[in-house]
Amino acid sequence: AQSVTQLGSHVSVSEGALVLLRCNYSSSVPPYLFWYVQYPNQGLQLLLKYTTGATLVKGINGFEAEFKKSETSFHLTKPSAHMSDAAEYFCAVREYGNKLVFGAGTILRVKS
Amino acid sequence: SQTIHQWPATLVQPVGSPLSLECTVEGTSNPNLYWYRQAAGRGLQLLFYSVGIGQISSEVPQNLSASRPQDRQFILSSKKLLLSDSGFYLCAWSFPRTLTDTQYFGPGTRLTVL
Repeated sequence: AQSVTQLGSHVSVSEGALVLLRCNYSSSVPPYLFWYVQYPNQGLQLLLKYTTGATLVKGINGFEAEFKKSETSFHLTKPSAHMSDAAEYFCAVREYGNKLVFGAGTILRVKS
Repeated sequence: SQTIHQWPATLVQPVGSPLSLECTVEGTSNPNLYWYRQAAGRGLQLLFYSVGIGQISSEVPQNLSASRPQDRQFILSSKKLLLSDSGFYLCAWSFPRTLTDTQYFGPGTRLTVL
C-alpha cells in the first residue's frame, strides 16, 4: 500500500524567507503526487501535482515541488514566504484505483 | 466549470442523535465521490468513496454510512452519533476514469457531538 510521510507537523518561517515542506512517499507503482493547501475551516485546494514528465512542477501562489525518484521525495518550496501562505499543507500519493493517500499535514506559520 | 457544495456548514448534535450530511456536485457527470473526516491533528481519513449511483465502498468500519441516490449527490449518515464522530467532514469529487485522479474538495462541514 502507498503511504506518505510529512516531516514536521509545524514549520515556522519569517516573511520573505524560503519555505520548505518535506514529503516522502512509498509507492509500488509509478507515483502520482499532489500537494494541497487548507486554510482554516475551509476545504482543500490543489496547489500542484506530478503525474509524468518534468520532475519540477510549478503550482499556484509561487509554489513548486520537485519529484526525486531516487529519494522518494516530493518536497514543496517557495522562495519567499508571504503572510498569506500561513495554512496547513498536505502531500498525497495516488492509491490504486481513484483514491489518494494523504500525509498527516504540516502547519506553516509565517512570522512578520 | 464544476462546483461542489456541502451542507450544513456547521452542526452541533447530541450523542445518540442521527446525522445527515449532503454533498452535491454541479457541472460534471458520473463523478467519483469521496467522504473524508479530518479530526484535530490527525490528517484526512477516507471514509467512503463511490464510482457510480448505488456503488459505495467503505474504508473504515464504523457507525457511519453513505449513500448515492443520484449521480451527483452523496450523503453521509449515522443512526446514532458518538462523541468520536466529531470532526471536519469533507466531500470531494474527481473525474471518472482519469489517470491523474485529482480530487476537488468542498468547503466542509464542522460537526460537534456533545
